[in-house]
Amino acid sequence: DAKTTQPPSMDCAEGRAANLPCNHSTISGNEYVYWYRQIHSQGPQYIIHGLKNNETNEMASLIITEDRKSSTLILPHATLRDTAVYYCIVRVAGSQGNLIFGKGTKLSVKP
Amino acid sequence: DSGVTQTPKHLITATGQRVTLRCSPRSGDLSVYWYQQSLDQGLQFLIQYYNGEERAKGNILERFSAQQFPDLHSELNLSSLELGDSALYFCASSPHQRGGRETQYFGPGTRLLVL
Repeated sequence: DAKTTQPPSMDCAEGRAANLPCNHSTISGNEYVYWYRQIHSQGPQYIIHGLKNNETNEMASLIITEDRKSSTLILPHATLRDTAVYYCIVRVAGSQGNLIFGKGTKLSVKP
Repeated sequence: DSGVTQTPKHLITATGQRVTLRCSPRSGDLSVYWYQQSLDQGLQFLIQYYNGEERAKGNILERFSAQQFPDLHSELNLSSLELGDSALYFCASSPHQRGGRETQYFGPGTRLLVL
């Protein structure tokens, strides 16, 4: 699985959009981009994933650049409960294997 | 709530002891994964089972073992415990999707403290 690079920390004001970047410049054509988050020692929570098209669900939007070398997770209206570590992971489509977690981005949502 | 359950939530034991952590996957999920999260190592994959059989191994110590039972629940056995085994242990499950984009769902974890 390709490696990812994320900023170690970010701040966001409550109610504003949180934009979390991820660099995956060595991603292969058959690798998906997954986002998980972990809220203070709870189990990691799946957020969203995509291949090359932008994706949106009830939690977030995922924007993947046309060359697929980077992506941005967008939380449209961040709340205090969105304070967490966010992990960007790339993995092969249909892979049944384990997830490889990096250090992620610690997002702090402030009132 | 991910649908994955883990027991116990907390476990305090002494060095040299043996403990068993239990995981019940989401209904219908065939794969179970175990991860360890310590303060200095982050989330590390330990082992994966699929429909009762070991599928993949990560950085799992020889003192640790796991199994998945016919009802698909899984147990992680940790023996000859050392102080460094203190960590959060997470179980995750996923369905088996032919060619699909398999997503893992994590349980709430078991916090192990070895004194």
